[in-house]
Amino acid sequence: SQQGEEDPQALSIQEGENATMNCSYKTSINNLQWYRQNSGRGLVHLILIRSNEREKHSGRLRVTLDTSKKSSSLLITASRAADTASYFCATGGGSNYKLTFGKGTLLTVNP
Amino acid sequence: GAVVSQHPSWVICKSGTSVKIECRSLDFQATTMFWYRQFPKQSLMLMATSNEGSKATYEQGVEKDKFLINHASLTLSTLTVTSAHPEDSSFYICSASEGAVYEQYFGPGTRLTVT
Repeated sequence: SQQGEEDPQALSIQEGENATMNCSYKTSINNLQWYRQNSGRGLVHLILIRSNEREKHSGRLRVTLDTSKKSSSLLITASRAADTASYFCATGGGSNYKLTFGKGTLLTVNP
Repeated sequence: GAVVSQHPSWVICKSGTSVKIECRSLDFQATTMFWYRQFPKQSLMLMATSNEGSKATYEQGVEKDKFLINHASLTLSTLTVTSAHPEDSSFYICSASEGAVYEQYFGPGTRLTVT
């Protein structure tokens, strides 16, 4: 069953602007991950944040995690047209290391 | 590092035939592989989890006799869609993880079209 819910479902911005995507989940987690998917392609792992972490950075990406609100956000700064893709959050928490994916946010960065 | 390949990248088959999709970890040993299904503009739905040398664990609602999964080695898992029907047309994606970790490395996906 779906656990993560991304918000917004679609986001269109201009190159250079920042893009913020949110993810909410329902059950306790061990970690939360963000993935990127270009149309018709596989997923690329972006960043993993553990339940005892509040913020993590990787290049132009900044992820926050608020376990009290069961939510996470992904910020992409200084966006580029090449950032156009779908972004999914996925939560992990079971002993079998399964991930549960959210519905995704389709980000379009206009040049 | 951590590259996962899938073959074929796309396949068209006739209704009633079986199709095999391969998932390989190229530069690491994948103790666990996962198979997902993705419909257009939707999220990934986990179909099954397979550990090398043991039977796959299927998610609720996934027919294990229709979607046969074999994980015979630490670098190869196969998904066979048996007696395919048009409703099986979808994008199938595998992922692999090394050891007891949550990070998964995804293959590029296989587009299956059943006519």
